[in-house]
Amino acid sequence: EVQLVESGGGLVQPGRSLKLSCAASGFTFSNYYMAWVRQAPKKGLEWVATISTSGSRTYYPDSVKGRFTISRDNAKSSLYLQMNSLKSEDTATYYCARRRYNYGFDYWGQGVMVTVSS
Amino acid sequence: DIQMTQSPSSMSASLGDRVTITCQASQDIGNNLIWFQQKPGKSPRPMIYYATNLANGVPSRFSGSRSGSDYSLTISSLESEDMADYHCLQYKQYPYTFGAGTKLELK
Repeated sequence: EVQLVESGGGLVQPGRSLKLSCAASGFTFSNYYMAWVRQAPKKGLEWVATISTSGSRTYYPDSVKGRFTISRDNAKSSLYLQMNSLKSEDTATYYCARRRYNYGFDYWGQGVMVTVSS
Repeated sequence: DIQMTQSPSSMSASLGDRVTITCQASQDIGNNLIWFQQKPGKSPRPMIYYATNLANGVPSRFSGSRSGSDYSLTISSLESEDMADYHCLQYKQYPYTFGAGTKLELK
């Protein structure tokens, strides 16, 4: 059974950093692109980052480019999101998701809440 | 960036109704579109992938179609468990972009 379990969320002050983790199981992690997607309270979904199977290629929207870094450790079947210079508008539930070719995101974690506030 | 214009933003319907939600892409995305269902406090659940393919475990009353740059999710006969938010996502090119979402409520 595919499982994605996020951790590392919490309350953080504006301008500070936070690192999210996603532990994957039930599939060969190194064979899949992985991604982070977020959802601000009562808002729609926003794609945040994607990483290739080896980690050599990463993709971000302009809203987080230069502040967020996606990475992975295939030996540990783990995905990460380093978030720096956090802003109040980064407040959201962050989901880890598996990307399947010609499918989109086929499995999602349960999400982890990040609140940026002083 | 590719804009995904989703409509309606909300709708109310009765049990047994036929319901259609639409996303219009601002550029060619081929069939690289997926529909998600999301219930309160839950993660998004894939419903239709590659525009017209039913995801595993999804009831056959759900279907997806494409007409040019317009993509539709149709529920042929609404059931109470279908009350949820629905989102479309284009994964043709980066940045991936979602529609704004549709809130489906019971009339």
